[in-house]
Amino acid sequence: GENVEQHPSTLSVQEGDSAVIKCTYSDSASNYFPWYKQELGKRPQLIIDIRSNVGEKKDQRIAVTLNKTAKHFSLHITETQPEDSAVYFCAASYSNQFYFGTGTSLTVIP
Amino acid sequence: EAGVVQSPRYKIIEKKQPVAFWCNPISGHNTLYWYLQNLGQGPELLIRYENEEAVDDSQLPKDRFSAERLKGVDSTLKIQPAELGDSAVYLCASSSNTGELFFGEGSRLTVL
Repeated sequence: GENVEQHPSTLSVQEGDSAVIKCTYSDSASNYFPWYKQELGKRPQLIIDIRSNVGEKKDQRIAVTLNKTAKHFSLHITETQPEDSAVYFCAASYSNQFYFGTGTSLTVIP
Repeated sequence: EAGVVQSPRYKIIEKKQPVAFWCNPISGHNTLYWYLQNLGQGPELLIRYENEEAVDDSQLPKDRFSAERLKGVDSTLKIQPAELGDSAVYLCASSSNTGELFFGEGSRLTVL
């Protein structure tokens, strides 16, 4: 089955700096890569996703890049704000099967 | 449009007692998932339904866990009897035809 690794497990940045979270996957059948943000006690919320026919996608301060050859994808958050503090999960998916990374706890220091 | 609805949000029981969780997916979503999430970890699949058929239940501890999705809409996850190690958040999710996955708020179980 698919194996998704996520790094780093914790990340602290100063407000206004950028944050990058990286994930790798093992199964070349995976063709959909969503990212979720989970605040304490809340549900994981989809913040951005990318499909295998696209190399990069951007939505305001958030961007995701995908390298199919290397089987890795990354989340980039620019101009970080305190409200970006949360746990972020990557996932790799195919045929309605989702495999999650272990999460990155991001802290944005004011 | 309503999101994925779960109940109860919180449940505290003593070990060996039964417990049940209910989920109503987003309207029109044929695929429904139950995930277990321990503190600080990612969601782990327990069971996946395509309509009313359980297509992936390989990670469901069938000696004590059971699930059903009658009529292919709502679903119930049951644990009987509960053990201390079952304390976790049980997340229900549903996915659209485009493959996007949406989670409910979760049911937090504490087993004493």
